[in-house]
Amino acid sequence: DAGITQSPRHKVTETGTPVTLRCHQTENHRYMYWYRQDPGHGLRLIHYSYGVKDTDKGEVSDGYSVSRSKTEDFLLTLESATSSQTSVYFCAISEGGISLNEKLFFGSGTQLSVL
Amino acid sequence: AQKVTQAQTEISVVEKEDVTLDCVYETRDTTYYLFWYKQPPSGELVFLIRRNSFDEQNEISGRYSWNFQKSTSSFNFTITASQVVDSAVYFCALSEATGRRALTFGSGTRLQVQP
Repeated sequence: DAGITQSPRHKVTETGTPVTLRCHQTENHRYMYWYRQDPGHGLRLIHYSYGVKDTDKGEVSDGYSVSRSKTEDFLLTLESATSSQTSVYFCAISEGGISLNEKLFFGSGTQLSVL
Repeated sequence: AQKVTQAQTEISVVEKEDVTLDCVYETRDTTYYLFWYKQPPSGELVFLIRRNSFDEQNEISGRYSWNFQKSTSSFNFTITASQVVDSAVYFCALSEATGRRALTFGSGTRLQVQP
């Protein structure tokens, strides 16, 4: 199994508070992704990174920011959490990007509840 | 924009029945990649298969088989002689060959295999 650790695994927070989710990898992979999973929507891309300090937006990036100061860590921040951000968040990694015959490896997910 | 449609929200079968999960995709890219992932009740995402757009050969892996047809933009997944352990949510996904190289997921099909 790919070495991906997401923390925390579960979090309950209140509307308006900032929240940071962490994804840590031990594979030295270049690409990292944050997805959210919601019923009826599958997984949707929030942000991704293609290297240290290189990040870009996905389809559902509003209300989220990311940072990648080291290869192994990719942080997802909800600046001011809202109830619509209650979801399961998955981190994924890929060595060279999909076009290089790669596949995405996923972390175990973080269940976030915003009350 | 890319899109993946899994029209079957939920399927219920009895053990040993064969079942086919449908996946239809849309893309303007001439080179792209298709995937299936399994999400068992425990919640992790398990990679099943990757198929490149230039390789239309069907694939069989044990009880699993995949039928890729570019003419109909479909990448269907068949489980032969289903088992209770096959109960899970199955996601079809599509990736572009360039750019962010992220996966676009369908909304998933929940498969329940009854004993």
